Amino acid sequence: DTEVTQTPKHLVMGMTNKKSLKCEQHMGHRAMYWYKQKAKKPPELMFVYSYEKLSINESVPSRFSPECPNSSLLNLHLHALQPEDSALYLCASSQERQMNTEAFFGQGTRLTVV
Amino acid sequence: DAKTTQPTSMDCAEGRAANLPCNHSTISGNEYVYWYRQIHSQGPQYIIHGLKNNETNEMASLIITEDRKSSTLILPHATLRDTAVYYCIVKRPAGNKLTFGGGTRVLVKP
Repeated sequence: DTEVTQTPKHLVMGMTNKKSLKCEQHMGHRAMYWYKQKAKKPPELMFVYSYEKLSINESVPSRFSPECPNSSLLNLHLHALQPEDSALYLCASSQERQMNTEAFFGQGTRLTVV
Repeated sequence: DAKTTQPTSMDCAEGRAANLPCNHSTISGNEYVYWYRQIHSQGPQYIIHGLKNNETNEMASLIITEDRKSSTLILPHATLRDTAVYYCIVKRPAGNKLTFGGGTRVLVKP
C-alpha cells in the first residue's frame, strides 16, 4: 500500500466554521507534511511532523492547527478561515531518518472558504 | 537548499523524447536533485532523484552535468498522460524540507 489518503476531497466552509482535514498512510512513514497550493502556483510547505512531533512550522497563521494523533494519521484543524485560504491542501509522507527517499502525496482536499 | 531555475513551459510531441532542463548553479556537494510531477488536480508524484551519477528508472532518466550545476530529466517516449507540471528540487540528504519552485508546465501534443 503506497497510498496517502486525504478526506474529504472537497470542503466548503464559512468563515465562522470549524472543520478538520484528515490524512492517513499505512506505509510506516514517520514524517508527515501539510502543503498548501493556490491555483497555478507550486505547493508551499506548511508543517512537518517527525515521529508525531511538530518539527517545522513555516510561520503558518494560528487559524491552522495541525495534529498528529498517531504515526498513521495527520489532521489539520481549521477555524476562522478567510476566503484567501481557499486552496488545495496536500498531505504527504516519507521515511524518516533514511536519507534520499521520496515523499508520497495524497490527492488533496480542495477547500473553499465562503 | 539550493534554488532551481526551470523554463516556465514547453511543448513536446507524443512519442518523442521530452528533455526538461533545470539549472541549480548554487547546489552544494551533498545536495540531491529530485524531480516530481503534478498532473492536473492531483498530488505531486515522485519521478527520480540523483546525486552525481546519471539515473534511470521505469519512468525517466536523469542526466546531471559533471559540475552538477544543471540537470536534464528525459521522458523517453512522451505520452499524452505525461502532460503535467514538472518540478526540479534540490534537497539536502538529511531533513524533511521539500521546497517546490515554479516548475515547467509540459504539454504533450498528439
